[in-house]
Amino acid sequence: NAGVTQTPKFRILKIGQSMTLQCAQDMNHNYMYWYRQDPGMGLKLIYYSVGAGITDKGEVPNGYNVSRSTTEDFPLRLELAAPSQTSVYFCASTHDRGRNTIYFGEGSWLTVV
Amino acid sequence: GENVEQHPSTLSVQEGDSAVIKCTYSDSASNYFPWYKQELGKGPQLIIDIRSNVGEKKDQRIAVTLNKTAKHFSLHITETQPEDSAVYFCAAGGNTPLVFGKGTRLSVIA
Repeated sequence: NAGVTQTPKFRILKIGQSMTLQCAQDMNHNYMYWYRQDPGMGLKLIYYSVGAGITDKGEVPNGYNVSRSTTEDFPLRLELAAPSQTSVYFCASTHDRGRNTIYFGEGSWLTVV
Repeated sequence: GENVEQHPSTLSVQEGDSAVIKCTYSDSASNYFPWYKQELGKGPQLIIDIRSNVGEKKDQRIAVTLNKTAKHFSLHITETQPEDSAVYFCAAGGNTPLVFGKGTRLSVIA
């Protein structure tokens, strides 16, 4: 199993551009998450999904969109990129919410200039 | 919603000494408390977790204690080694998505 796979690893965006961060898991997990990590600020939940076709906002959803058309994939869309979206983004998944191990991807480093 | 506070933000210990990281949480409904280790350039990885029906759990050099009355839990690492150097995150949750602390950067000095 590859676990949670994120692409791209690194990306530089110009202000106002859009892009999609890809996330795929091969563990047949129901729950998937997107977090952003800023220096000294821990992990903030952007969006999460409890299954295909279902998504919900986390703590910091503004400026982002997600979709969950399949169990495996959970892409994160950035529309009109802003410098405040410069961060490291982590996708994660778990079989069941809360009490099971969350598996994280390796992260995507995004810089908006 | 849940709020998790983690202390200290940085911690330096001599190799072989013990390290303790403490977290408090606010939501009494939280019943799952994992700890994650993040090495440079990597995603966080679970190292130990504890559920609300248990007061203490140990796995080799790592232990976690939970005080539900006081709403705090702690990570204890004994006989620290240089490879323990990393950022450690606590988290709390259960029926809602996990909320993470801001992390503790642990440096083990050889």
